[in-house]
Amino acid sequence: GENVEQHPSTLSVQEGDSAVIKCTYSDSASNYFPWYKQELGKRPQLIIDIRSNVGEKKDQRIAVTLNKTAKHFSLHITETQPEDSAVYFCAASSGGNNRLAFGKGNQVVVIP
Amino acid sequence: NAGVTQTPKFRILKIGQSMTLQCTQDMNHNYMYWYRQDPGMGLKLIYYSVGAGITDKGEVPNGYNVSRSTTEDFPLRLELAAPSQTSVYFCASSYPQDRGHEQFFGPGTRLTVL
Repeated sequence: GENVEQHPSTLSVQEGDSAVIKCTYSDSASNYFPWYKQELGKRPQLIIDIRSNVGEKKDQRIAVTLNKTAKHFSLHITETQPEDSAVYFCAASSGGNNRLAFGKGNQVVVIP
Repeated sequence: NAGVTQTPKFRILKIGQSMTLQCTQDMNHNYMYWYRQDPGMGLKLIYYSVGAGITDKGEVPNGYNVSRSTTEDFPLRLELAAPSQTSVYFCASSYPQDRGHEQFFGPGTRLTVL
């Protein structure tokens, strides 16, 4: 099945700086790559996603880039704010029926 | 719309006890999923369903059972609880992929088995 890995596991950034989280996946058949944000004690919520026919997608301060050849995709957060502090999970479609394989998550800490 | 709701929020079980985690969605989603989240780990798929009467195993199904008698409800049953089942359990739902990929998550159930 699909194997998704995230790096780094923890990332600390100064408020206003950019944060980049990278994920790699193993199954070249995967065609959908979402990013979920999970605040402490809360449910995961989708923040941005990308499909395999697109190389980049932006939504205000966040963007996702996809490199299908290298099988990796990255989340970019610009002008970070304290409310961006959370765990971010990447995922890749796995096996049909909208199933997802999740990475282990990245803890992002924005230092005021 | 309430979205995806789960009960209970918290539960402590003794080894060998059984319980059912409830999940309901009011978005008329065909697909529903159960995940477990262990500390420092991602979400692991336990079971999923593509419609009423249809269920299938995910990555970590051992020790669990599910049923899907209606579109709205997807309960998860734990028989003979074990400490290894201590985790946070999330239910999620979505449309089929031709109508959208996003999975909507419930608030989770924190289960401790002692």
